[in-house]
Amino acid sequence: QVQLVESGGGVVQPGRSLRLSCAASGFTFSSYGMYWVRQAPGKGLEWVAVISYDGSNKNYADAVKGRFTISRDNSKNTLYLQMNSLRAGDTAVYYCAKDRVVIQSYYLDYWGQGTLVTVSS
Amino acid sequence: DIQMTQSPSSVSASVGDRVTITCRASQGISSWLAWYQQKPGKAPKLLIYAASSLQSGVPSRFSGSGSGTDFTLTISSLQPEDFATYYCQQANNFLPTFGQGTKLEIK
Repeated sequence: QVQLVESGGGVVQPGRSLRLSCAASGFTFSSYGMYWVRQAPGKGLEWVAVISYDGSNKNYADAVKGRFTISRDNSKNTLYLQMNSLRAGDTAVYYCAKDRVVIQSYYLDYWGQGTLVTVSS
Repeated sequence: DIQMTQSPSSVSASVGDRVTITCRASQGISSWLAWYQQKPGKAPKLLIYAASSLQSGVPSRFSGSGSGTDFTLTISSLQPEDFATYYCQQANNFLPTFGQGTKLEIK
């Protein structure tokens, strides 16, 4: 069965960096676009970044553009989110999610359990 | 960016009721719309994609409709496990966006 397991969250000071990982299993990882979506405490869902199946195309929400980098290692079935210059407003649960189809559809059919990132001094 | 607006923000209903949630896009998105259900402390679950297609394994009491800018999610007969928060999401371009959510509570 499809599994997505995020790791790397924690407490970090403003201005510092953190790298999240998402280990995928149960499907052909290298065939699907992948996403990061976040949710601040008590708030709604906010899309963060998307990467194509082969890593050649990436897009970011304006709120993180220039600070966050999405990447993937298809040989390791792992998705990453490098987060630099972190701000208090980046505090959230970060979910990785998988596209529903091989041809990218922007519908997210499987999600990880999430990892909490807290930016605080 | 395309803005998604859901209404109502919250709704109270009873088991067995029919409930409709609305989502409006700031510009036309054809049928590029999904609906998700999220329960407290859990990841979202895809219910509907392409505005009206039921995701595998989702009960048939859930249905979606609409195109262009106006969309609806209908739950035909509420079950206890349906009380949750529901989000719409547009998939029209490379910058997907979510609605602010609708919390469905027990009356």
